[in-house]
Amino acid sequence: AQKITQTQPGMFVQEKEAVTLDCTYDTSDPSYGLFWYKQPSSGEMIFLIYQGSYDQQNATEGRYSLNFQKARKSANLVISASQLGDSAMYFCAMREVNTGFQKLVFGTGTRLLVSP
Amino acid sequence: NAGVTQTPKFRILKIGQSMTLQCTQDMNHNYMYWYRQDPGMGLKLIYYSVGAGITDKGEVPNGYNVSRSTTEDFPLRLELAAPSQTSVYFCASSYSGSGGADTQYFGPGTRLTVL
Repeated sequence: AQKITQTQPGMFVQEKEAVTLDCTYDTSDPSYGLFWYKQPSSGEMIFLIYQGSYDQQNATEGRYSLNFQKARKSANLVISASQLGDSAMYFCAMREVNTGFQKLVFGTGTRLLVSP
Repeated sequence: NAGVTQTPKFRILKIGQSMTLQCTQDMNHNYMYWYRQDPGMGLKLIYYSVGAGITDKGEVPNGYNVSRSTTEDFPLRLELAAPSQTSVYFCASSYSGSGGADTQYFGPGTRLTVL
């Protein structure tokens, strides 16, 4: 079974608009972490934001926020005020704490295109 | 602070050739990882290490070997290159033990083509 599901292969947004990238996950571990990474066309993986399963509040980092709905097992990334430089692939990943090591499982990614 | 560095950036191999992908981190992280990313896919874990002298297999270890003699370096060895190993390879590192995010930080990647 897929542990991380990103159902949107591609998303389009106009500059300055907000966009939500979907991520659902599957785990029976009560302790886990959720991450979002950005991969621009240059290829590097850039860490954006982290949410722990026990965190009471949704994580925020500048224009990025994570809409964490634990009961629905979703961890959607919200980018506010999109910029042209936000055009990239975005990957959701999960770490299950009780696997014994810091293994990340990645989704297949969503390609975001920001238009002027 | 260079973070995680990888060499080479690009490489073309012939079937059956061998090579080593180098990875170095200067953040004193105890954990290091090797991932591969096939076109249009997410990353899959090849091998990981929890400290110098300790390595273990990830999800897709076949055809690869690793060693970790120092905290800083974690080379990945391909012994008999096959076309199925054409991919982009990422090295990453993290610090485990702080009880926090233990975020993994990635190198710039090595694009490998096996012909």
